[in-house]
Amino acid sequence: DQQVKQNSPSLSVQEGRISILNCDYTNSMFDYFLWYKKYPAEGPTFLISISSIKDKNEDGRFTVFLNKSAKHLSLHIVPSQPGDSAVYFCAASWVNNQGGKLIFGQGTELSVKP
Amino acid sequence: EAGVVQSPRYKIIEKKQPVAFWCNPISGHNTLYWYLQNLGQGPELLIRYENEEAVDDSQLPKDRFSAERLKGVDSTLKIQPAELGDSAVYLCASSAGQAGDEQYFGPGTRLTVT
Repeated sequence: DQQVKQNSPSLSVQEGRISILNCDYTNSMFDYFLWYKKYPAEGPTFLISISSIKDKNEDGRFTVFLNKSAKHLSLHIVPSQPGDSAVYFCAASWVNNQGGKLIFGQGTELSVKP
Repeated sequence: EAGVVQSPRYKIIEKKQPVAFWCNPISGHNTLYWYLQNLGQGPELLIRYENEEAVDDSQLPKDRFSAERLKGVDSTLKIQPAELGDSAVYLCASSAGQAGDEQYFGPGTRLTVT
């Protein structure tokens, strides 16, 4: 039972354009969502997060949008840079009940072409 | 500040052999996690420690996997005996311990069982 799904295994974008990575979830108990970025041979690194009480969180070029009614979140990267090429994982958590246990999606590999 | 340290980075063993992975979390981080990441998938939690207590080991295959976190700092994850299906990346992460705190990941150990 995949509670967090990233249905696009890969995405290719031109440098300077917007990258939009999508994530869907099924468990309505999730109340905290995160995006992690992973380069080859490295562990995932935290990128940005959003609480379920918000619908948008912005940090520089990165913005995460949350649509609770649709159980959908997305990560926007504007403008995209070649250094953004990596695998992006969304993750969800039940902060109050599970001590921060993270459920990860399968990942989307972003390729930003110069 | 040093990040999460894991060793070895790579390990190749024959099936039925034992193997052990070591993790040193970020100094002061009370919570330690072991994740399993299969190719093309997101990390999946195996076990979570709060100090030296395993508070969530529901996903740990206890017939062959074991873990310990003596003195609430370093941790070791062991597989005995290893099976072909255990080939994966084993990630260690740590956090300060408050619900919703960011998890910091180590680079992982890539295990190949032949």
